Amino acid sequence: DAGITQSPRHKVTETGTPVTLRCHQTENHRYMYWYRQDPGHGLRLIHYSYGVKDTDKGEVSDGYSVSRSKTEDFLLTLESATSSQTSVYFCAISEKDNTEAFFGQGTRLTVV
Amino acid sequence: GENVEQHPSTLSVQEGDSAVIKCTYSDSASNYFPWYKQELGKGPQLIIDIRSNVGEKKDQRIAVTLNKTAKHFSLHITETQPEDSAVYFCAARGAGRRALTFGSGTRLQVQP
Repeated sequence: DAGITQSPRHKVTETGTPVTLRCHQTENHRYMYWYRQDPGHGLRLIHYSYGVKDTDKGEVSDGYSVSRSKTEDFLLTLESATSSQTSVYFCAISEKDNTEAFFGQGTRLTVV
Repeated sequence: GENVEQHPSTLSVQEGDSAVIKCTYSDSASNYFPWYKQELGKGPQLIIDIRSNVGEKKDQRIAVTLNKTAKHFSLHITETQPEDSAVYFCAARGAGRRALTFGSGTRLQVQP
């Protein structure tokens, strides 16, 4: 299994609070991604990174920000959590932009 | 952007039968098509992929076919086993795009 660790694995938070999810990799892969998974929607891209300090938006980026200050860490922040952000969040990594992506185990976030 | 549609959303087969899942994509420049298997409580895991310069690829009981003209690709699982029961996702990556676009998933149930 690829060395990807997501933390926390589960979190319950209140509406309006900030939340940060962490993805840590030990593979030294250049590309990192954050997806959210919701019933009927598959996996939708939130943000991705193609290098340290290089990030770009995905199709559902509103309400989310990311940072990548080191190759191994990619942080996803919900500045002010809303109930619509209740979801399972997956981090993925890939060595190149045209090779397979490896996924982490996911973080289940509930916003009440 | 890329749009990927996946059918059916659920599929039930008897052990030993074949299963076929189909996906269509919108971006004719897409060049990479992976399939992922997701078991309950886990992240998606790549099971097979195909690139646009290949029409078919097989790996034991799993095969993927690609029809670039019609812009569709399919996953074929032969001699299904109960352990094949999972959610399967197709995905596509358009040329020049750095992230995958996923289909909405197919829940496959193999009845013993």
